[in-house]
Amino acid sequence: QKEVEQDPGPLSVPEGAIVSLNCTYSNSAFQYFMWYRQYSRKGPELLMYTYSSGNKEDGRFTAQVDKSSKYISLFIRDSQPSDSATYLCAMIKGSGGSNYKLTFGKGTLLTVNP
Amino acid sequence: EAGVAQSPRYKIIEKRQSVAFWCNPISGHATLYWYQQILGQGPKLLIQFQNNGVVDDSQLPKDRFSAERLKGVDSTLKIQPAKLEDSAVYLCASSLVGSRPANEQFFGPGTRLTVL
Repeated sequence: QKEVEQDPGPLSVPEGAIVSLNCTYSNSAFQYFMWYRQYSRKGPELLMYTYSSGNKEDGRFTAQVDKSSKYISLFIRDSQPSDSATYLCAMIKGSGGSNYKLTFGKGTLLTVNP
Repeated sequence: EAGVAQSPRYKIIEKRQSVAFWCNPISGHATLYWYQQILGQGPKLLIQFQNNGVVDDSQLPKDRFSAERLKGVDSTLKIQPAKLEDSAVYLCASSLVGSRPANEQFFGPGTRLTVL
């Protein structure tokens, strides 16, 4: 079993839809949770970063963490064609010392159709 | 502020040949990372440098991969000899200091390697 599981999709939605992206993890040592967005032929860029369980909102994006279920989500409201990209969840274990290593999910390919 | 620079952007080689990738991190970033991203997968950390010292190279296939970061700035990743399964995008990232999980890693555009 991989430490981080993410449905690769692809996911195709119409413009304006609410998008839900999810990851599960198996190791309770993961304490820090991120969502990265990766456009085609580009490197990943950080979208959201959370530490505690609960919700964090940034504009049209909401990150949700449920540590009891080992489940994280990213919601995109009013999706736009410019949101079309691969979304990667990533996690860091809490006791990394000087080596806080990112463990990524496979990524979900999202297409928002105009 | 200039981002992480990588070159070349694309490289096609035959198996058993050697190849090298170059990375220039964001100015002032002490920590540098090399990741391998196989098609349809998330990035996998190969090696992490803090200044010019190696912090983590546990997932680097040391029989064929090597990396260096001279003078704590630029870095080079080399593969010798290449195998078909090395076909991937090689991403370089940098951050201010790797000792805090909140320190954001900034990624370069990657080098797409095809091994024939």
